Amino acid sequence: DIQMTQSPSSLSASVGDRVTITCRASQSISRYLSWYQQKSGKAPKLLIYAVSNLQSGVPSRFSGSGSGTDFTLTISSLQPEDFATYYCQQSYSSPRTFGQGTKVEIK
Amino acid sequence: QLQLQESGSGLVKPSQTLSLTCAVSGGSMSSGGFSWSWIRQPPGKGLEWIGYIYHSGGTDYNPSLKSRVTISEDTSKNQFSLKLRSVTAADTAVYYCARGDDSSGDDYWGQGILVTVSS
Repeated sequence: DIQMTQSPSSLSASVGDRVTITCRASQSISRYLSWYQQKSGKAPKLLIYAVSNLQSGVPSRFSGSGSGTDFTLTISSLQPEDFATYYCQQSYSSPRTFGQGTKVEIK
Repeated sequence: QLQLQESGSGLVKPSQTLSLTCAVSGGSMSSGGFSWSWIRQPPGKGLEWIGYIYHSGGTDYNPSLKSRVTISEDTSKNQFSLKLRSVTAADTAVYYCARGDDSSGDDYWGQGILVTVSS
């Protein structure tokens, strides 16, 4: 299985901050990398697919980058509604695997 | 707008079979070449992919669960199902169904259903 490792596991930030979350794959996954946002008690929501493609309806303050094994999700200016847990997922090979999640909390 | 809705028993006894159905509305499962997945999340923990059924009817399962899992579809009812046999307390989780494909991620999700394994 491809292991996905996110860092940090949690972070505290203020509204307006620039936030960066990283995701590392245990082997190259080409561009088969998605990012999801999950709020408490809700289903995950797709933010970004294929490393850097913004899902329809997702604000442009979210962006993704990377290639091969190292990937980044950036929130350019954190908003109150962005406090949530974020997961990366690889779909390069079976089984699909998720990172352990990064919880973004209010400072 | 596509919608997915999970249904099934919220309480299953140990050693029995967990059975869930995902009803798809607002679009046909047979169109578009998508995969239809089951994903679960134990309370307070992360996401685990269980498996999916392809638009062609083929399936792929997580090896960690493969011996106990069956995913099937009923295109006449526009729904797909999950069966997980010989459950234990470790199978207690919120179970989600989702639509997606390998290059575009899972773009539509059900709201999730909590299944508790307990006697």
